[in-house]
Amino acid sequence: QKEVEQNSGPLSVPEGAIASLNCTYSDRVSQSFFWYRQYSGKSPELIMSIYSNGDKEDGRFTAQLNKASQYVSLLIRDSQPSDSATYLCAVKSDSWGKFQFGAGTQVVVTP
Amino acid sequence: DGGITQSPKYLFRKEGQNVTLSCEQNLNHDAMYWYRQDPGQGLRLIYYSQIVNDFQKGDIAEGYSVSREKKESFPLTVTSAQKNPTAFYLCASSLSGAPYGYTFGSGTRLTVV
Repeated sequence: QKEVEQNSGPLSVPEGAIASLNCTYSDRVSQSFFWYRQYSGKSPELIMSIYSNGDKEDGRFTAQLNKASQYVSLLIRDSQPSDSATYLCAVKSDSWGKFQFGAGTQVVVTP
Repeated sequence: DGGITQSPKYLFRKEGQNVTLSCEQNLNHDAMYWYRQDPGQGLRLIYYSQIVNDFQKGDIAEGYSVSREKKESFPLTVTSAQKNPTAFYLCASSLSGAPYGYTFGSGTRLTVV
């Protein structure tokens, strides 16, 4: 059974601080990794993708991938109240496209 | 603008009734997917399709059916055999291949009355 694990939270973060979200996966052949943000009652939206070991930065977001440890993380710098949402980790193992999703980590940014 | 459209936004089903959720995309994506999301839980795959006239069962296909007669369309029918259908249903599409993420529709919230 392929699994993607995330801490469910809620992760409480003061405004302006760094939020750190973690995700582990079980399938060693996983190729692509994605982070989605989902506001309550809305559909997920893609915020980051990463395919190679190391860090990838996009604005206030940094994704980190360590395939040897089967671990992917997301850092949100200078957290804002608008970052309050559930963040889903998604792992793509199949060559053509089927994802495995984690259950999501709820982030609450407090003013 | 290209996108993926789900309708209706809200749907109410009576006991024993079949209902169909619509999903249409104009992104020229090959693959389409249906997921179910229950409160506090992750996304669970119902059905997926890589090409027209072909589809595969996901992890929780029982009580659901789909068709893929056109590349743009992938409707989901929730049959009376699905005993607990109240959930948030998400349709997604993607290009085939590892680097590509999903684009999601806005979702349909189905409630049994």
